[in-house]
Amino acid sequence: GESVGLHLPTLSVQEGDNSIINCAYSNSASDYFIWYKQESGKGPQFIIDIRSNMDKRQGQRVTVLLNKTVKHLSLQIAATQPGDSAVYFCAENIKGGSQGNLIFGKGTKLSVKP
Amino acid sequence: EPEVTQTPSHQVTQMGQEVILRCVPISNHLYFYWYRQILGQKVEFLVSFYNNEISEKSEIFDDQFSVERPDGSNFTLKIRSTKLEDSAMYFCASRVGNSPLHFGNGTRLTVT
Repeated sequence: GESVGLHLPTLSVQEGDNSIINCAYSNSASDYFIWYKQESGKGPQFIIDIRSNMDKRQGQRVTVLLNKTVKHLSLQIAATQPGDSAVYFCAENIKGGSQGNLIFGKGTKLSVKP
Repeated sequence: EPEVTQTPSHQVTQMGQEVILRCVPISNHLYFYWYRQILGQKVEFLVSFYNNEISEKSEIFDDQFSVERPDGSNFTLKIRSTKLEDSAMYFCASRVGNSPLHFGNGTRLTVT
């Protein structure tokens, strides 16, 4: 989920397909990770979080996978719907820091084709 | 579902002017935050606030910035003398205990 400047990586999927959004996080000392969805003109909306003592967590239609060995986080969305179209950010929190002091990635834009 | 609310949604100001951005965090939340997002870029932490004092701040949060919880419901961000580069979306967020951070829909600040 990395990008340069104004150009976000874009993932385009067909409605009903599964989506996988990837994120490489920066700090091996991070122990809390969170995915946010941001629709145009709105603030980040919480999707799912995971702590470093887990490698997988499931929510409603979403799954987060954490691979600490390679510092990789992914968000899987099952049966993607047009309402899932948004920019998705991963964020990390460094161990020992305030839980709300999040370091955000640059985002991936998900476009769902009907 | 309770929400973080921010006003105004859009603020236009001239360089050098003071602005105050306002937020009403979720009512039972105890930890309050300001983040900003310059157009097209990632969301950046500015400051965290707990128990009526700043608990952490970033390098962005210099002497031009201040925060206040003037009463039991509002949380404000003041920029004393705005610069062109302060133009951004400013997001307020709050949490309680180990809950995830909940964000408002932001105030778009345009400095001309």
